[in-house]
Amino acid sequence: DAGVIQSPRHEVTEMGQEVTLRCKPISGHDYLFWYRQTMMRGLELLIYFNNNVPIDDSGMPEDRFSAKMPNASFSTLKIQPSEPRDSAVYFCASSLGYSNQPQHFGDGTRLSIL
Amino acid sequence: GENVEQHPSTLSVQEGDSAVIKCTYSDSASNYFPWYKQELGKRPQLIIDIRSNVGEKKDQRIAVTLNKTAKHFSLHITETQPEDSAVYFCAASMGFQKLVFGTGTRLLVSP
Repeated sequence: DAGVIQSPRHEVTEMGQEVTLRCKPISGHDYLFWYRQTMMRGLELLIYFNNNVPIDDSGMPEDRFSAKMPNASFSTLKIQPSEPRDSAVYFCASSLGYSNQPQHFGDGTRLSIL
Repeated sequence: GENVEQHPSTLSVQEGDSAVIKCTYSDSASNYFPWYKQELGKRPQLIIDIRSNVGEKKDQRIAVTLNKTAKHFSLHITETQPEDSAVYFCAASMGFQKLVFGTGTRLLVSP
């Protein structure tokens, strides 16, 4: 199994630019999660999907953030416009819900907004 | 909502010693408690989890205990090795989806 695949691994961009992070969950998993990790706030859940439908987006910091899951094998997290305080490591995770299996994380995207 | 506190923030032990990390949670409805290990620059990886119908679970040198009455759970690592050095996160959730993570414990095992 290839695991959760995220791209890009690193992203450096200037303030105000649009940023798109991508995630491919483990095949067959029906839950997908987006997390943000910073030194100040730790590991925070931003949003999660079940069967491609957003279930809880209460962790999304503000309207500049949006996430989509157009199909079972792909999800995006978009920031527009980006700000320096968005700099963080963004992780995607997936799990198999019906058997209450744990979440498996991707390698993350390290985002730096200058 | 759920709130998870984790202690200590840093833990230094000698190789071969035991290490204990403690977490408390606030929501008595939480029923799933995983532990993740994160090495520098890497992704969090699940090392052990426990569900609320179990008081203790062990996997080789790692064990987790859960006290539902007191709303706390602990990770125990015995015979620590330098490769155990990492940041360890506890988490809690009702169900298996909306995990709330602790702030992490940096474990340093010195040879």
